[in-house]
Amino acid sequence: KQEVTQIPAALSVPEGENLVLNCSFTDSAIYNLQWFRQDPGKGLTSLLLIQSSQREQTSGRLNASLDKSSGRSTLYIAASQPGDSATYLCAASWGKLQFGAGTQVVVTP
Amino acid sequence: DAEITQSPRHKITETGRQVTLACHQTWNHNNMFWYRQDLGHGLRLIHYSYGVQDTNKGEVSDGYSVSRSNTEDLPLTLESAASSQTSVYFCASSPTVGYGYTFGSGTRLTVV
Repeated sequence: KQEVTQIPAALSVPEGENLVLNCSFTDSAIYNLQWFRQDPGKGLTSLLLIQSSQREQTSGRLNASLDKSSGRSTLYIAASQPGDSATYLCAASWGKLQFGAGTQVVVTP
Repeated sequence: DAEITQSPRHKITETGRQVTLACHQTWNHNNMFWYRQDLGHGLRLIHYSYGVQDTNKGEVSDGYSVSRSNTEDLPLTLESAASSQTSVYFCASSPTVGYGYTFGSGTRLTVV
């Protein structure tokens, strides 16, 4: 069965620390992997899209890596800020997006 | 700017009523999707479409239907609303398989 898992479910860090969010998937035959941010009561905002042929993608303070052979992706957020507090969702595409349960992040001032 | 819009943003309906949630995209994307989001279950796929006149069932399709008569719209119909269908519903679109998804802002549906 094709599944996506995110651990931990929740994470709290002080402002300025780097954030490391983990995502694992069961089947390496993905088309791509997409990271989203969701604020409470809001929709999903796409952060980064990594195609299956890529090893990483970067956007500003965000960097996402992809290791298909081990079924893992990691989202790094450098120098975290209170505005980074949100739920981060990882989704793998095997034709359709399959989501993990998310990691709820709190960055304390 | 291209966008994907959902309406209404909030809806309260009674058990047994038929309800239709609208999704409209101006990206000219072939693929459109409906997900529901619930605490403890995350986002789950309800129905999806790869083009006009094409519709497919997702993992939680019972009690829901969709139709695709044009590229821009994929309305989601709850035939007879049940309390178990109280949820937040998200519509998404993508150009084709292998491309990223763009999501709408969601519809919060309460069935009483």
